[in-house]
Amino acid sequence: DSGVTQTPKHLITATGQRVTLRCSPRSGDLSVYWYQQSLDQGLQFLIQYYNGEERAKGNILERFSAQQFPDLHSELNLSSLELGDSALYFCASTPGGNAQYFGPGTRLTVL
Amino acid sequence: TQLLEQSPQFLSIQEGENLTVYCNSSSVFSSLQWYRQEPGEGPVLLVTVVTGGEVKKLKRLTFQFGDARKDSSLHITAAQPGDTGLYLCARRAGGTSYGKLTFGQGTILTVHP
Repeated sequence: DSGVTQTPKHLITATGQRVTLRCSPRSGDLSVYWYQQSLDQGLQFLIQYYNGEERAKGNILERFSAQQFPDLHSELNLSSLELGDSALYFCASTPGGNAQYFGPGTRLTVL
Repeated sequence: TQLLEQSPQFLSIQEGENLTVYCNSSSVFSSLQWYRQEPGEGPVLLVTVVTGGEVKKLKRLTFQFGDARKDSSLHITAAQPGDTGLYLCARRAGGTSYGKLTFGQGTILTVHP
């Protein structure tokens, strides 16, 4: 158990819908990262927050957005969903230094 | 984009065999990490290598960082079914993208009893 929690574990929805994925980082970790893992693209960085502020952006679509709240939990919002958005979405947190601790992921299926 | 190329993509071996997985780039890394991911779980950090030529051991796993810091390898001795999983190499970004990880495509290892 990494100490990072993600909900829900599985999510099945239809094209055009909007979903919210939630992440609670390890206690005391200020940085949260979101990654997307798909068969064709592998594991790709989406966005990073540090203590409530956006720190870095990767290959995140404009239909996707994220935020980090004062209690440090983070949400990833995916809208106007397409079939190609089906993937595993991971959240990771770090206290700083080298290690990133990944949550168990949310498996999103868009039908 | 500084890509990481991993090989082989798939590896299926019998218990007790040895194997090596490679991670290469055309760019120099400041550091490189190896992760293992099991089905239904997130990646778990195995090791970070920083110095060119560095060798680190984790039980039956040996990690090596190339002298020029452009490549790395993971060697598993006497593989066991519990070693089955996806092995990923990753580099950490610095500067304004501090901490962001860029991953290789991974090597899917299956160890048969």
